[in-house]
Amino acid sequence: DAGVIQSPRHEVTEMGQEVTLRCKPISGHDYLFWYRQTMMRGLELLIYFNNNVPIDDSGMPEDRFSAKMPNASFSTLKIQPSEPRDSAVYFCASSFKLDSPLHFGNGTRLTVT
Amino acid sequence: AQSVTQLGSHVSVSEGALVLLRCNYSSSVPPYLFWYVQYPNQGLQLLLKYTTGATLVKGINGFEAEFKKSETSFHLTKPSAHMSDAAEYFCAVTKKTSYDKVIFGPGTSLSVIP
Repeated sequence: DAGVIQSPRHEVTEMGQEVTLRCKPISGHDYLFWYRQTMMRGLELLIYFNNNVPIDDSGMPEDRFSAKMPNASFSTLKIQPSEPRDSAVYFCASSFKLDSPLHFGNGTRLTVT
Repeated sequence: AQSVTQLGSHVSVSEGALVLLRCNYSSSVPPYLFWYVQYPNQGLQLLLKYTTGATLVKGINGFEAEFKKSETSFHLTKPSAHMSDAAEYFCAVTKKTSYDKVIFGPGTSLSVIP
């Protein structure tokens, strides 16, 4: 199994631009999670899906952030418009069951200038 | 509400010395507990987990952790540190009875001195 695949690994963009982060979970995993990691706030859960349906998006910072999961093998996290304070590493993770361990991708390092 | 604290944001040990990373949790219901490791420029990887049964849990790379309910602790240990153990370590908790957000601790950065 290739694991959770995220793209791109690095993204540098200017303030105001739209950013789209992509994730392919492990096949057969029913849960998909988006996390954000910063030095100041650590790991924050932004949103998670169960069988492609968003279950809890209470961690999404504001309306500029949106996430979709059109099918079991693909999810996107979009920021529009981006701001410098969005700079962080964004991780996608998937799991088989509710109480299964999380499998993380290698993350997307986003820099907004 | 659940929470996780990790005492010491940075720990340094000599190669071959005991590694002890501390984790305390609070949970109103029986918890599931996890330790994850993050190497530079990578995502988190599961080291070990406690769900039920034996309170001493063995994980990968020689690490183990003991669930102590009376102390609400889940400290991570390794008898002899190796240079390759240098990484960021995260303790995490979630509920056993029903799913809730996995709560991660702030992490402890482990340095191994040759």
